[in-house]
Amino acid sequence: TQLLEQSPQFLSIQEGENLTVYCNSSSVFSSLQWYRQEPGEGPVLLVTVVTGGEVKKLKRLTFQFGDARKDSSLHITAAQPGDTGLYLCAGGNNDMRFGAGTRLTVKP
Amino acid sequence: DAGVTQSPTHLIKTRGQHVTLRCSPISGHKSVSWYQQVLGQGPQFIFQYYEKEERGRGNFPDRFSARQFPNYSSELNVNALLLGDSALYLCASSFLPVSRGGPDTQYFGPGTRLTVL
Repeated sequence: TQLLEQSPQFLSIQEGENLTVYCNSSSVFSSLQWYRQEPGEGPVLLVTVVTGGEVKKLKRLTFQFGDARKDSSLHITAAQPGDTGLYLCAGGNNDMRFGAGTRLTVKP
Repeated sequence: DAGVTQSPTHLIKTRGQHVTLRCSPISGHKSVSWYQQVLGQGPQFIFQYYEKEERGRGNFPDRFSARQFPNYSSELNVNALLLGDSALYLCASSFLPVSRGGPDTQYFGPGTRLTVL
């Protein structure tokens, strides 16, 4: 059972478009992490958010942690084909629980 | 420094067989976690080890077992393989274990792709 629900499950957009993907849970997490995974590889950590309401920026990626620390969003500005991949959120308490991911395809 | 390494990269087994997967953490990391990732799903937590002791276990049957060695490398063993065990098995290492105080950064290996026929 996935404690973290990610939406949308699939997203296909054109290069240059903006997008937002979501990660929601009924549980409160002490922290939440976003990963990006490419085929045949393990997930790579993008960011960790800890404080409710926290916003972190990583170049064209903006991550937000909900005030109640139950949800998070990832916004990508001017998406590029290199952004293609599986975006996973994971909540950390005593162990790491992952969502099912959003599979993003950015077409040139 | 080398990242997390896993072996083998691919493995094909038949139902009922046993498999051992291996993981070497990043030098200096004392915690290793194992995850199972079925196609189309996110990773599912199996085990966490820290300083050779089991610190957490996910909802997996007793056919799954693991251990951590004095050099902090780890093995995941799966007995009596089922078709449903086909998945990508990921190992992640961190300096400290995931805890309620907030997770230490985990670094994932490339995984072992297990196919059970």
